[in-house]
Amino acid sequence: SYVLTQPPSVSVAPGKTARITCGGNNIGSKSVHWYQQKPGQAPVLVIYYDSDRPSGIPERFSGSNSGNTATLTISRVEAGDEADYYCQVWDSSSDHPMFGGGTKLTVL
Amino acid sequence: QVQLQESGPGLVKPSGTLSLTCAVSGGSISSSNWWSWVRQPPGKGLEWIGEIYHSGSTNYNPSLKSRVTISVDKSKNQFSLKLSSVTAADTAVYYCARKTGTDYGDYGDWYFDLWGRGTLVTVSS
Repeated sequence: SYVLTQPPSVSVAPGKTARITCGGNNIGSKSVHWYQQKPGQAPVLVIYYDSDRPSGIPERFSGSNSGNTATLTISRVEAGDEADYYCQVWDSSSDHPMFGGGTKLTVL
Repeated sequence: QVQLQESGPGLVKPSGTLSLTCAVSGGSISSSNWWSWVRQPPGKGLEWIGEIYHSGSTNYNPSLKSRVTISVDKSKNQFSLKLSSVTAADTAVYYCARKTGTDYGDYGDWYFDLWGRGTLVTVSS
């Protein structure tokens, strides 16, 4: 099955830019979706189809995908962005979703 | 707006069957969406369990397929999960979620745009 690799943790100072990566074999040929999960809460979709934002998600959240790496970028990071972030693709060979292991974003 | 709400016992004995229901409100379960179950063991990542369409068609995670049954009750606008022969490894927060995306025919590109709040199920004697 298709494997997605995320760094366990990323730290960033308030006001700076956070970049969370999601690695996979030729992931650029797939659509990547990103979820934010705050402690004790359900995941929330923040990016779909690599770079689209659902309504209500700030423009500070953006995504890109090329080659073997997809990236979630959070600009002007705020304390409220501290959460776990998961990438997801739909594995067409098995016809089910694959999630990355998650990245804990810490705002210093 | 559509909302999802999980319900069911929070404690299940080992070797027993875990049973959960997801109520869909603010919309119809017979819309053109698939409905999924996803779980998250304490301190760990997300694992997809399976999904159902309002017609009753299902897809399951191969790693759980032998123990999982997902069903739909259109009259009650809800769908359900049964997981049999549970062990402590099945202790997790269980979420129901709505799948959406694009169907290209031979394959699809899907994601989860709506999630329930989740319910913790502990397997313990």
